[in-house]
Formats: sequence, C-alpha cells, structure tokens
Amino acid sequence: DIDLTQSPSSLSASLGDRVTITCRATQGVAGYLNWYQVKPGQAPKLLIHGASVLQTGVPQRFSGGGSGAELSLTIDDLHLEDAATYYCQQTYSTRALTFGGGTKVEI
Amino acid sequence: QVQLQESGSGQVKPSETLSLTCTVSGARLTSGRDSWDSWGWVRLPPGRGLEWIGYIYHSGTTYYNSSLASRVTMSAYASKNQFSLNLRSVTAADTAIYYCVRVDARNHDGFDIWGPGTPVTVSS
Repeated sequence: DIDLTQSPSSLSASLGDRVTITCRATQGVAGYLNWYQVKPGQAPKLLIHGASVLQTGVPQRFSGGGSGAELSLTIDDLHLEDAATYYCQQTYSTRALTFGGGTKVEI
Repeated sequence: QVQLQESGSGQVKPSETLSLTCTVSGARLTSGRDSWDSWGWVRLPPGRGLEWIGYIYHSGTTYYNSSLASRVTMSAYASKNQFSLNLRSVTAADTAIYYCVRVDARNHDGFDIWGPGTPVTVSS
C-alpha cells in the first residue's frame, strides 16, 4: 500500500494567514491526490482532486500543488470557518486507496 | 442532485456482524453517467483519522482495504438503488462513524458525494 504522511499533524494560525499542509507519499501518485476537509458533526468535503483541481463551490483561497510523491494544500487568507481537520488521499493505487493521518488547523 | 443516506444497526455486540445500507437518490447505481462511478464506504473512528473500507463498481467488482478484507463484504442492489456493507466479527476497534460515498471516476476517483454518516458502537 502507498502510505501518506501529512505534516504538520496540527497547526495554529491567525485569521488572514497563509498555511500550507504537506502530504508525502511512499511513491509517486501521478497526481491522483485528493484533499478533504472534515469538521466535527459534518460529513467530509472534497476540496481538491487531481492534486490541484478545485472542486466546484470550494473557495479559491484553497489551492493544491506539488507533484510526484510530495503534494501540498495551501489555504490563503485563513477564515474562521477553515478551522477543521484536513486529509490527503491517494487514488493512484485503485485497489488500495489510502488517507493521510490528518492535519488539524486551529484558528 | 445526488444524495446518499446510510441506515442500519447503530449498536453491535462484539463478534457479531455490522450491517449498513446506503440509499442513493438523484442517480442510478448502475446506468448512464453513473456507470463511470463506483460506490464505497469510509469510516472515522473516534480520535483517529479517515479509513477507506472499500468500494464496489457498477459491474459488481469490489475492492477492499487489505486490513479489513477478511471480514468485509459489499453488495449492490440496482433495483433498490442501494448498496450495502457487512463487517463480520466486530470488536471495539470497529466503533466509528461510517460514511457511504460516491467515487467519481471522472475526477481522479475523488469521493465527491458523502452521506451524513451513521455512528456505530461496538459494545456488549
């Protein structure tokens, strides 16, 4: 299985800040990397698919980047409602999908 | 608009079988555009991260998380527009919120639609 390591595991930032979360895979995932936002009591929400494609309806302050085995999620101009836990997911290995361990963002 | 809704046992005794059903509305499980899609299950244990359980293609082909494969069965019921999850021999470690999802094959297999989730507790 392809393991995904997210860093940091948690962070604290202020309104308006820019934050970046890194997702490192044990092998290249050819852009098959998705990002999700999870808030307590709510279903997870797909933010970005294909490493950098913003899902419809997601604010443009969210962006995805990177390539190969190192990908990232950046949130520009942090809003209060961005407080959540963020997960990366690889779908390159279609028979063995995996999620990263999560990054908790506090504001 | 496509919506998913989980239903099933919220409390299961250790060693018994957890059974959940996901009802799909706004799309057909096995035809049209949806033939590009597959349908799956994810869980979120308390204090831990998301865990992929498995998914089932419109063809009926299934793929399971290797750590759960010996205990998991997924099935699809086209006439009812539902798919199901059975997890056998449960332990406390299977306590989690269980979500059914749509896997969007046209968008890098992202899980673009989620059910609201159903909590399952394994306890005697």
